Amino acid sequence: EVQLVESGGGLVQPGGSLRLSCAASGFTFNRYSMTWVRQAPGKGLEWVANIKQDGSETYYVDSVRGRFSISRDNAKNSLFLQINSLRAEDTAVYYCARVALWGNDFWGQGALVTVSS
Amino acid sequence: DIQLTQSPSFLSASVGDRVTITCRASQGISTYLAWYQQKPGKAPKLLIYAASTLQGGVPSRFSGRGSGTEFTLTISSLQPEDFATYYCQQLHSYPLAFGGGAKVEIK
Repeated sequence: EVQLVESGGGLVQPGGSLRLSCAASGFTFNRYSMTWVRQAPGKGLEWVANIKQDGSETYYVDSVRGRFSISRDNAKNSLFLQINSLRAEDTAVYYCARVALWGNDFWGQGALVTVSS
Repeated sequence: DIQLTQSPSFLSASVGDRVTITCRASQGISTYLAWYQQKPGKAPKLLIYAASTLQGGVPSRFSGRGSGTEFTLTISSLQPEDFATYYCQQLHSYPLAFGGGAKVEIK
């Protein structure tokens, strides 16, 4: 059974940092690109970042480029999102998901990040 | 960047109704489009990929059509468990934008 479990969310002050983790199981992790998608309270889905199977290529939405960093450890079946210089507008539930050829076919339960003083 | 516009953003329907949601892309994306269903407090669920291919386990009352810039998601006979918010996503080029969502509520 494919499982994705996020961790690392919490309350952070503006300007602070956080590292989200996503533990993958039930599939061959290094064969899939992975993605982070976020959802602000009461709002729609926003694509944040993608990373290729071997980590050689990464892609970001403009609003987070330079502040967020997606990475992976294929030996530990883990995906990460390093979030720096946090702003109030980064408050959201952050989902990790597996990227199939034509869509995100498995999702984690989400990790809530709240940016507030 | 490619933008996706969904319409309507909200619709009220009854069990048994046929429902169609439209997703328009700001430029051609061939069939690089996916549809997701999201219920409150839950992660999204992939329904359709490549514009018209049903993901495994998704009921056949869901169908997708379109290519280029105009796409539709149709639920042929709305069931109680279908009341949710539906999102399209383009996978043609980065950034991989989502549409704004279409909330389907009970009339």
